Amino acid sequence: AQSVTQLGSHVSVSEGALVLLRCNYSSSVPPYLFWYVQYPNQGLQLLLKYTSAATLVKGINGFEAEFKKSETSFHLTKPSAHMSDAAEYFCAVSDPKDDKIIFGKGTRLHILP
Amino acid sequence: DSGVTQTPKHLITATGQRVTLRCSPRSGDLSVYWYQQSLDQGLQFLIQYYNGEERAKGNILERFSAQQFPDLHSELNLSSLELGDSALYFCASSAGTGGHNEQFFGPGTRLTVL
Repeated sequence: AQSVTQLGSHVSVSEGALVLLRCNYSSSVPPYLFWYVQYPNQGLQLLLKYTSAATLVKGINGFEAEFKKSETSFHLTKPSAHMSDAAEYFCAVSDPKDDKIIFGKGTRLHILP
Repeated sequence: DSGVTQTPKHLITATGQRVTLRCSPRSGDLSVYWYQQSLDQGLQFLIQYYNGEERAKGNILERFSAQQFPDLHSELNLSSLELGDSALYFCASSAGTGGHNEQFFGPGTRLTVL
């Protein structure tokens, strides 16, 4: 069965600092991997996705993630945090043969002025 | 704006009651997904429909049911409601089937069971 683990339910970074949100997955087959963002009182929005092409995936709003098969990781990074990045971030995994997406518990990102 | 609409935005009801949540997918999308988001369980996949047919099932309780109509809108029916059913219910849509498809999420319906 597939699963996703997000390390840290809350992460705080200073404005302008590096953002690193950690995600590890478990899958018996090469997975599809996603990062979604949820702003307060809104639905989820896709940031980026990995579907077995390039291992370094660039997304919207300056975010990127690197698929590392040996570490079963798909960490999300952004070089310089903005106040507008404060939100909840969800890592998700799906089986290419399956329509179900399994979401992690989420990491709430706080940006300190 | 994702193009997915959900009604109502808020719903307050009592234990034992039945409610219906409605979702209209993005124009052209054939797949509709339902999710439940709560503080203790996180975001849980409930069920997916594709072009009117049930496609995948997740952690959906027997008290819950869904359907997708010929015009592709979907309804999630929750019956014999319990306090623990209080949550945000999201609908998402995608163009087709397959895990690679981006899902577009609606704004959600917040259900409060008193």
